[in-house]
Amino acid sequence: DTAVSQTPKYLVTQMGNDKSIKCEQNLGHDTMYWYKQDSKKFLKIMFSYNNKELIINETVPNRFSPKSPDKAHLNLHINSLELGDSAVYFCASSVDAIPSYNEQFFGPGTRLTVL
Amino acid sequence: AQSVTQLDSHVSVSEGTPVLLRCNYSSSYSPSLFWYVQHPNKGLQLLLKYTSAATLVKGINGFEAEFKKSETSFHLTKPSAHMSDAAEYFCVVSDRKGDYKLSFGAGTTVTVRA
Repeated sequence: DTAVSQTPKYLVTQMGNDKSIKCEQNLGHDTMYWYKQDSKKFLKIMFSYNNKELIINETVPNRFSPKSPDKAHLNLHINSLELGDSAVYFCASSVDAIPSYNEQFFGPGTRLTVL
Repeated sequence: AQSVTQLDSHVSVSEGTPVLLRCNYSSSYSPSLFWYVQHPNKGLQLLLKYTSAATLVKGINGFEAEFKKSETSFHLTKPSAHMSDAAEYFCVVSDRKGDYKLSFGAGTTVTVRA
């Protein structure tokens, strides 16, 4: 009964490939997020969806495309992978889209390595 | 605009001694502040949060933090470190108006010596 789950946990791929990371939350939350954590452990928001609607879209390359088929799922598709995409990607969820008050629950992360 | 600065990239303490992790923030509005912990190869977990109620906030696992507006600080403390406290700690700020984003500090790595 994991609250926020991600698959896969590890992803090793070649430059130029297309890959997807899946995220699911069973908390009944309305809002989901994707974060990127670089090699220096710095965390930065990439996207946020509230009830399947995109509400935060940071300056992320167009190669990254999130998809939210329903409010319990937020997937991340990455086209034409580059070396610089190597990082740990975290999915998170919260009750609503106002992070000032609500805890964000994080998944275990997906470590992406691009060779 | 909002940002946080974690003043120490690495803190090493002996088991049973106090832990102090320092965080200064910048915010255009009244901020909400959080401390999250990340154990190795795990996701982040909330330790505690400040959202304008009591300035001394108690969290899980014996941690607490004090919001000091005059010093724009939100330092995290624990009176007695345990081996299980070895982890990465993130100070996080959110403006209570604005763009609904969290801004993370660069993190502080805590090592606990036996």
